[in-house]
Amino acid sequence: SQQGEEDPQALSIQEGENATMNCSYKTSINNLQWYRQNSGRGLVHLILIRSNEREKHSGRLRVTLDTSKKSSSLLITASRAADTASYFCATGDWTGANSKLTFGKGITLSVRP
Amino acid sequence: NAGVMQNPRHLVRRRGQEARLRCSPMKGHSHVYWYRQLPEEGLKFMVYLQKENIIDESGMPKERFSAEFPKEGPSILRIQQVVRGDSAAYFCASSPGAPNSPLHFGNGTRLTVT
Repeated sequence: SQQGEEDPQALSIQEGENATMNCSYKTSINNLQWYRQNSGRGLVHLILIRSNEREKHSGRLRVTLDTSKKSSSLLITASRAADTASYFCATGDWTGANSKLTFGKGITLSVRP
Repeated sequence: NAGVMQNPRHLVRRRGQEARLRCSPMKGHSHVYWYRQLPEEGLKFMVYLQKENIIDESGMPKERFSAEFPKEGPSILRIQQVVRGDSAAYFCASSPGAPNSPLHFGNGTRLTVT
């Protein structure tokens, strides 16, 4: 079963508004990462938060992590049309030499100009 | 500033043919991952390789699928005797392998089986 489950599945907002996307996971993690995917392209890494961190910022991005609730949120402030994309959370489970990431199904964000 | 290079971008195969997907990781990266993405779905992990070694192939179908990452040259994902259900986008990602390092993805190979 999927480790990460994003919520909502789709989000449509007006340019300039903030977009909040949520991710829940099931098992213990080492880190949680958010990626963006534009149509027809590969995923691009946005931000990584370690399991011992609660909040992290990068430009217009703010990520929170609540390990007690096994959930994370990604906030994009002052959204732009160029933010239109699919967003995925991925959990990292470092067990020995294995470092694979497990991805959720993604959130489709549409930002209307 | 070459990122992860995948080729071909699009591949059309008839049922029963073989598909070979290539991936050159970023310079300096020795860890390669293959993922499969179906429409409206997330990425499903297939296999994780280091140079000349398969580290984790728990996501690979037992039949018809194989992967390699030789000492020289790109990583290859090989699908023998393709079926329509193999149609998907296949993404390769690489990392330097350090703990918590993010993955760098290629733009994928879109396989269509007719």
